[in-house]
Amino acid sequence: TQLLEQSPQFLSIQEGENLTVYCNSSSVFSSLQWYRQEPGEGPVLLVTVVTGGEVKKLKRLTFQFGDARKDSSLHITAAQPGDTGLYLCAGPRPGTYKYIFGTGTRLKVLA
Amino acid sequence: DAGVTQSPTHLIKTRGQQVTLRCSPKSGHDTVSWYQQALGQGPQFIFQYYEEEERQRGNFPDRFSGHQFPNYSSELNVNALLLGDSALYLCASSFIAGDINEQFFGPGTRLTVL
Repeated sequence: TQLLEQSPQFLSIQEGENLTVYCNSSSVFSSLQWYRQEPGEGPVLLVTVVTGGEVKKLKRLTFQFGDARKDSSLHITAAQPGDTGLYLCAGPRPGTYKYIFGTGTRLKVLA
Repeated sequence: DAGVTQSPTHLIKTRGQQVTLRCSPKSGHDTVSWYQQALGQGPQFIFQYYEEEERQRGNFPDRFSGHQFPNYSSELNVNALLLGDSALYLCASSFIAGDINEQFFGPGTRLTVL
C-alpha cells in the first residue's frame, strides 16, 4: 500500500482556473515537502510544512498541512501554462530516514 | 553555490553489465540519498548515506550498492544489470536537522539497459 496518496492523479485545466491537489496518509509525518518535476529533470523543492495547521504561500501557490499532520494540500490560484508539471508530496517515513514520495499529480494547464 | 551535480547525464548499458553513477552534494550538506524513478512513476528510495555509512535502505536488491566519500560525494553501483533497471536515477542531498528533512535533487542520470 502507498503511504502517501495523492489526488487527483491527472488534471487538465484552462489557464486562469484554480485547482487543489491533495496528499493523504494514515500516518503522522514530522514534515512534508512539495516538489514540482519537469520531464527528464530532478524534482524541485517548493515548500516544507512542519507544524500542524500551517499555511504557507508561494506567489499563487498555497500549501496547507493538516492539523493532525497526516495530510496536506496544494492550491494554485489562476493557473498558468508554466505551472504544468508533475507535483509530488514527500516526507520521511515515520521513525525512519527512508524518504517516500506520493503517487504524484500530473498537471497540464492549457493556454 | 553549486547545487547537486550528477554524472554522467545519460548512459547506455547492456544486460549483465555493471554501472557506476556519481553525485556531488550541495555545499553544506552531509547526507546523500539515491532514488530510482521509472517512467511515469514517482521516485523510489534506494538508500541513504551519512558519515560514509549506509544509514537506511529501501526495497532494492543487493545488486544496488553505494559509497560515500569523506568529501560527502557519493557513488551508486548497480551490478548484473537487468532491463528493468532502465530508469532515471536521482541523487539528493540534505542536512537533516530535527524534523526538517528537505531533499535537494540533482538533474539525474538516465540509464538505458538494452
